Parts: sequence; structure tokens; C-alpha cells
Amino acid sequence: AAGVIQSPRHLIKEKRETATLKCYPIPRHDTVYWYQQGPGQDPQFLISFYEKMQSDKGSIPDRFSAQQFSDYHSELNMSSLELGDSALYFCASSLLGKYSGNTIYFGEGSWLTVV
Amino acid sequence: QKEVEQDPGPLSVPEGAIVSLNCTYSNSAFQYFMWYRQYSRKGPELLMYTYSSGNKEDGRFTAQVDKSSKYISLFIRDSQPSDSATYLCAMSLNTGGFKTIFGAGTRLFVKA
Repeated sequence: AAGVIQSPRHLIKEKRETATLKCYPIPRHDTVYWYQQGPGQDPQFLISFYEKMQSDKGSIPDRFSAQQFSDYHSELNMSSLELGDSALYFCASSLLGKYSGNTIYFGEGSWLTVV
Repeated sequence: QKEVEQDPGPLSVPEGAIVSLNCTYSNSAFQYFMWYRQYSRKGPELLMYTYSSGNKEDGRFTAQVDKSSKYISLFIRDSQPSDSATYLCAMSLNTGGFKTIFGAGTRLFVKA
């Protein structure tokens, strides 16, 4: 079965640079989530999109932005990168609905290292 | 106080043991309860999903939800070294809720 696809898997950037992460949700899923997981931390919710509209916002810095496109893929843009942005960034998707609940499926993550 | 509390462990057990993992939560509005398994440097993998209170069994895994006590559990029977991973509980509101809240994760080591 198709899973959530993320790219790139690994990324090294310098401070103050910009990075873009891409996410392709499971086909027919209508909701995309972005999570940030630091070393030894639980995943922290950043932002979500439902049917291409922002649906919820968590602890996403103002330097970050995201969007979901017409083909349902999503991109997380991170600017003015700081050392503390080094983390594993997960994209997840789900199909919201009465019978599907809110079960989300994760991609393998994108490792961002800021040096 | 975090909305979801989970003991980070580590929890070390011998192969074949029954493992009990637990989470408590404070928001009584949570309706959906999940357990994820995460291997190092990998994405969380959904193990069990339960709606409201009750038990759910899938192979060696049993999930329990006690909404009256705001307490959820995951039991692993006949634990195997391949079960060694971090187990994250997660919960969310009704279908209108987009945000899933995770516990800190419990690191489990199953020794051969």
C-alpha cells in the first residue's frame, strides 16, 4: 500500500539559509500534518491542512510557512534557519470522516541539520 | 502540566515477558486513542487505534482505554527483541479535531 512520501530524506543547511520539505500524502487522504521531532522528544505539531486550506496551527515559528497544493502534496518552507531547527520533520496524512476518525499515518521523515 | 503524560522509561524486559505501557491525559474531550511504534530515525508506525472506551486486540497487542480514569494502556504479550522501540501514545478530539497530541514516548528494550 502507498504510504506518505517525504523528500528530501536528509538535508544539511547553514544558518540563515532556507529549506523546503515536500510531502506527498497517501492517495485519497484529505488532511496533511507537519510535525517536528527533536532528539529524544515527542513529535510536536506544527500545522495541518484539510482540503488545501490551513486547518490548525501549532508551535510553528513565524519563519516557517506551509501550503497544500491542488494535487494535495504539501511543502514546508523554513527560512532564516537556526541551529535549533535541526530536527526530524514528519509529514502525516489522514482521511477525516465519521468512520475513519482521525488516525494519522506518518512518512519516514526528513532529517534537517543546520550547521 | 502536559495534556498527555507518558513515562519515558527506558523499560527493559526479558524476551517473552508481558509489557504494559501507559498514558494518562487531562482533556476529557479526547475521543480517539492511538499507539504508535517508532524505531530509531524512522517515522512513527500506527499500531492500534481505539475510539472511546474499551479494549481492542490485534495479535500480541491489546489496547485499553478507560475514559473515566483518563488512562490508556498498551499490552504486548510474548515480547520479542524486535519489539524494542519507542512507543508513543497519541490522542485526538472528535473528527472535527485536527491536532493529535502525543505522549513523550516510552523506550522499550526486550532482551533476548
